[in-house]
Amino acid sequence: SQQGEEDPQALSIQEGENATMNCSYKTSINNLQWYRQNSGRGLVHLILIRSNEREKHSGRLRVTLDTSKKSSSLLITASRAADTASYFCATPYSGAGSYQLTFGKGTKLSVIP
Amino acid sequence: DTAVSQTPKYLVTQMGNDKSIKCEQNLGHDTMYWYKQDSKKFLKIMFSYNNKELIINETVPNRFSPKSPDKAHLNLHINSLELGDSAVYFCASRLRDYQGETQYFGPGTRLLVL
Repeated sequence: SQQGEEDPQALSIQEGENATMNCSYKTSINNLQWYRQNSGRGLVHLILIRSNEREKHSGRLRVTLDTSKKSSSLLITASRAADTASYFCATPYSGAGSYQLTFGKGTKLSVIP
Repeated sequence: DTAVSQTPKYLVTQMGNDKSIKCEQNLGHDTMYWYKQDSKKFLKIMFSYNNKELIINETVPNRFSPKSPDKAHLNLHINSLELGDSAVYFCASRLRDYQGETQYFGPGTRLLVL
């Protein structure tokens, strides 16, 4: 079942601006992950934030996690045309000996040169 | 040195045909997955295989059958293809330990059923 829900569905910004995407989820998690999908490609893992972390940085990426609100945000600073892609949040689910990720529907980011 | 590879990249076929998609990972991972991504980009898990054992079969029609000859391969066979099977299919893998929480995806196979 779908767990994460990204917002907005689409975002268009000028190169150099910051882009913020949000993700809301429903159940308790021990980590939340963000993935990027360029057009016509597979998903690429960007960053993982654990439930005991509030903020995490990786290069131009900043991820926050608010477990009380069951939400996360992904900030891309100083965006570039190459950042144009769809961004998905994913939350893990473990049950019956399995481990799987549940993905949201994604935010489509367009960075205009 | 591709980590997760899939073949073919594109697959166009007629309704009713049987087709297979191959997936291989050279990461030494224990668990492999098949996902279906529809036209609205929604990614849904289909199967999870751990050490050649099927763990998840998320209400997938039995026309779809995963086959894992060894830990590095998880192929997807589809019988009697239907129009609704048109989608992009992604293979992914994961190392099954506490640190292996991220998944590595293949480039996808774009299936079009006519």
